[in-house]
Amino acid sequence: QKEVEQDPGPLSVPEGAIVSLNCTYSNSAFQYFMWYRQYSRKGPELLMYTYSSGNKEDGRFTAQVDKSSKYISLFIRDSQPSDSATYLCAMSGGTDKLIFGTGTRLQVFP
Amino acid sequence: GAVVSQHPSRVICKSGTSVKIECRSLDFQATTMFWYRQFPKQSLMLMATSNEGSKATYEQGVEKDKFLINHASLTLSTLTVTSAHPEDSSFYICSASKGAWNTEAFFGQGTRLTVV
Repeated sequence: QKEVEQDPGPLSVPEGAIVSLNCTYSNSAFQYFMWYRQYSRKGPELLMYTYSSGNKEDGRFTAQVDKSSKYISLFIRDSQPSDSATYLCAMSGGTDKLIFGTGTRLQVFP
Repeated sequence: GAVVSQHPSRVICKSGTSVKIECRSLDFQATTMFWYRQFPKQSLMLMATSNEGSKATYEQGVEKDKFLINHASLTLSTLTVTSAHPEDSSFYICSASKGAWNTEAFFGQGTRLTVV
């Protein structure tokens, strides 16, 4: 079993839709949870960073962490074609290495 | 913001030659730099962690003699793929951390290596 599981997609939605991206994990020691956006042939860009459980909102993006279920989510409101990219979740216990999900490819069509 | 520049963005080399990839933190000093490899439709796999002035720590299964990492200053780390072979073709990405924590790591643009 992988430490971090993420549905690879692709997820195709119309412009304006609410997008829900998710990851599950198995290591209860994970405390730091990140979401990265990666455009084709580019490096990942940090979108959201959350420590422990709870919600965090930044503009159209909301990150949720449910440590009891070992489940994290990223919601994108009013999705735009420019949001089309691969979204990677990543997590760590703090000083150890980041563990990445495989990424979910999102396509937002006009 | 925190900017990490990686160069070159794309390189094609002949089998048996060596290729050097540079990773620079442009507006901050990077205590730690990380090198990743990414295969198509797969996750980022950490290859090694380097701290300025000390030897890199390689992940299990990564050949340190093949993937030479030098972290000569707080703003520059290099990855040299020695005696490259077609199976080394991949997308290599570096990240630089402001502190010792992975949570403060910012990624470069990546380097697409093709060995022919």
